[in-house]
Amino acid sequence: QSVLTQPPSASGTPGQSVIISCSGSRSNIGSNSVNWYQQVPGTAPKLLIYRNNQRPSGVPDRFSGSKSGTSASLAISGLQSEDESDYYCAAWDDSLSGGVFGGGTKLTV
Amino acid sequence: QVQLQESGPGLVKPSQTLSLTCTVSGDSISRGGYYWTWIRQHPGKGLEWIGYVYPSGSTHYNPSLKSRLTISIDRSKNQFSLNLRSVTAADTAMYYCARDGGPTSGWYFDFWGQGTLVAVSS
Repeated sequence: QSVLTQPPSASGTPGQSVIISCSGSRSNIGSNSVNWYQQVPGTAPKLLIYRNNQRPSGVPDRFSGSKSGTSASLAISGLQSEDESDYYCAAWDDSLSGGVFGGGTKLTV
Repeated sequence: QVQLQESGPGLVKPSQTLSLTCTVSGDSISRGGYYWTWIRQHPGKGLEWIGYVYPSGSTHYNPSLKSRLTISIDRSKNQFSLNLRSVTAADTAMYYCARDGGPTSGWYFDFWGQGTLVAVSS
């Protein structure tokens, strides 16, 4: 049971947009930044979005993040086949005094 | 470019100690501002934060693992290590090391090792 809640799966067709949600509580998302990671099966996770809505260099602007209250979202526009991956949200939790992750969302394109 | 590489045995017997090392290149582990972190992923499951070590040697652990866990730093070798005692099959996982910018950055992991799979089995 993950501290942050994500839908287990999402899907879309090439060119479409998809939104992946991440729900938490006051002690994690409500108090701290949310970060998103992309994991192609068999490889290490890669930082996709940091501090709620910032993209590291090299991440296409098709990927965007947002946060409101105790929830966050990752939006992917112009879906491409290469976007087919697992996506994880993460944040620091002040009550647990540790990092917490969502259970991951498997995106099928 | 910062690179991290995990190393250690791929098989550990139950009740023994799982020991892994992460070698960092492209950055000095002694430089302040970064928290050197271990994360694991059980087969087919999500990610679990294990804990971190700061260049000063201070550590912070996942409460669920704290009683069995030691994370240490070797500044002379630019490495940090994980020791998990009294392992069981539930500790079978892919173990990743990562660099974390800490509270001032938003607690994000910007560089990751490729991961090392550790199985606990007799």
